[in-house]
Amino acid sequence: KQEVTQIPAALSVPEGENLVLNCSFTDSAIYNLQWFRQDPGKGLTSLLLIQSSQREQTSGRLNASLDKSSGRSTLYIAASQPGDSATYLCAVKNSGYALNFGKGTSLLVTP
Amino acid sequence: DTGVSQDPRHKITKRGQNVTFRCDPISEHNRLYWYRQTLGQGPEFLTYFQNEAQLEKSRLLSDRFSAERPKGSFSTLEIQRTEQGDSAMYLCASTQPPKTEAFFGQGTRLTVV
Repeated sequence: KQEVTQIPAALSVPEGENLVLNCSFTDSAIYNLQWFRQDPGKGLTSLLLIQSSQREQTSGRLNASLDKSSGRSTLYIAASQPGDSATYLCAVKNSGYALNFGKGTSLLVTP
Repeated sequence: DTGVSQDPRHKITKRGQNVTFRCDPISEHNRLYWYRQTLGQGPEFLTYFQNEAQLEKSRLLSDRFSAERPKGSFSTLEIQRTEQGDSAMYLCASTQPPKTEAFFGQGTRLTVV
């Protein structure tokens, strides 16, 4: 069974800092990995999707990397802003239909 | 198309009552998924439809839960005889092969009192 772990569980940084969120998974035979953002009481917003054959994806200030062999992905956020405050979820898809989620990292960016 | 739509956004019900939620996926997406998320946890998979066919169900989907997608468009998730443990956010997602990016709705927050 795929286990997805996200570290840290919570993070507080001052505005402007660059930061890294970590995601690890136990079964490296993944199909893809997707990062989501979730605001309190809201649904999930897709940020980046990395296929198993890719090493990284970039969107604006976000960069996600994937190292399948070591079972790790990182989400890099450059020049953080208070509007980045949210919970960030990592989800892994293996050969089945379901996404396997971590518990998320709760990010607070203070002005 | 504005994305995946879920209704209602919030539902408060008394224990023992039945509730039904609706999900409208992105219009060209033929794959639809239901997930449940409790506080402080990541979403957990409940069930999956390809068009109108329900192809996979999680063991989390007890006999009190039933999902349908009668015409391969919108889907409904019904919970019978609700229990306090059913209180959670119920999320719907859709995808369209060959693209595999999943798009989620805003969820339905269920509170059983």
